[in-house]
Formats: sequence, structure tokens, C-alpha cells
Amino acid sequence: DTGVSQNPRHKITKRGQNVTFRCDPISEHNRLYWYRQTLGQGPEFLTYFQNEAQLEKSRLLSDRFSAERPKGSFSTLEIQRTEQGDSAMYLCASSFPLGGYTFGSGTRLTVV
Amino acid sequence: KQEVTQIPAALSVPEGENLVLNCSFTDSAIYNLQWFRQDPGKGLTSLLLIQSSQREQTSGRLNASLDKSSGRSTLYIAASQPGDSATYLCAVTNSGGSNYKLTFGKGTLLTVNP
Repeated sequence: DTGVSQNPRHKITKRGQNVTFRCDPISEHNRLYWYRQTLGQGPEFLTYFQNEAQLEKSRLLSDRFSAERPKGSFSTLEIQRTEQGDSAMYLCASSFPLGGYTFGSGTRLTVV
Repeated sequence: KQEVTQIPAALSVPEGENLVLNCSFTDSAIYNLQWFRQDPGKGLTSLLLIQSSQREQTSGRLNASLDKSSGRSTLYIAASQPGDSATYLCAVTNSGGSNYKLTFGKGTLLTVNP
């Protein structure tokens, strides 16, 4: 297993467009997380899946954001009608229950 | 609400020096604490994971300690090298219902000068 994989690495989009990011976790991990990180800050929790069930969504995740994890494997994070304030690094991580996290390399989103 | 603070925000040292990074958290009811390294524009690399029942963990030149009752952790880096230059992030997982969620500090930006 090569770890947690995220695609794309970078995304530049115009304001108002929709974007989708993909995360492939470590295959044995049943927990998957999305975090967002802005410049100079630590990552902030967005949402969490146990297998295919989305068990928590942060208040940071507005109605324009949606995440899925079909069949408990890979996950997608979609942002609709992007705004400049959505510009950030989006990080995916996976873990065993109560285990340490393994993060991916992130997707850097720039909204122009 | 759990809050994590890291001091100093930035640190610059000459190569070969031993150094200590500090992390404090407001709610001592944690399940574990994890130290990460982040290179510019990259994702996070896990360095050390300390369970709440443990006092310290070691990996190579890195040693992390945990004093849960006082809400503190330190990351000790021995014989620093220019390749250690990065941002170091501390994160805790609270015990109880949200034991899956990491709360991060803002990090310490370390520069090791050759």
C-alpha cells in the first residue's frame, strides 16, 4: 500500500465553478477524514466517515460542500459554486479506529 | 472546547543544536496526541503517536513526551539537521464521543541553518 493518495494535487478554478477532489485511503483503514488548512493555520476538521457512513460534518462544511464515500473505499469532496474564501489546502486522512492518522499530500485549491 | 497552543511559533537554530518544541492543550481528557511534520505546500507526515497512558515515544533523533494532567507535550529533536526544517504540528484526539477528531495547534516553523 502506498499510503493515502489525493488527486488532483493542485486545482485553479474560477469563482462560481464546481470542483471535485478524490481521496484513496489506505485500504485496511475503515475511517476516513477530510480537513481544510489555510495559510499559517493548523488543519481544521471538516467531516468523517466510518466505512461508507458519514458520521459527522463540521459547521465549516456549508451546503455548498458535499462528501461521499461509496462502498467504503475512496472518497470525493465536491464544492459547488466556489468562492474565493474556499481557497485552501484540502487534506484527506485515514486510520484504524482509535489509531494514528495517515494523511495524504493534499489538494491545493485556488479560486480566482 | 479543546484548544491547542504551540510555542514558539517560529524557531531558527544552527545545525547540530538540540531543540525542544512545546505543545499545550486545555482539556486533559485526551485519547492520544500526535506530532506531525509538514513541508511547505505538502501534506502531513506523522512523526510520533503517544497514547494517553504513555509518557513518551522515541523515533530516531525524535523524542516526544506527554504530561496529560498538566496538558503539555514536548518534541525533542537531537542534533538538528537542515533537513529537519519544516513546520511541526501537534494534534490531540479527545476521549469520549469525538475520539476520531484531531484538534491541531498552529504549528512551529523550524529553520535549521547549515
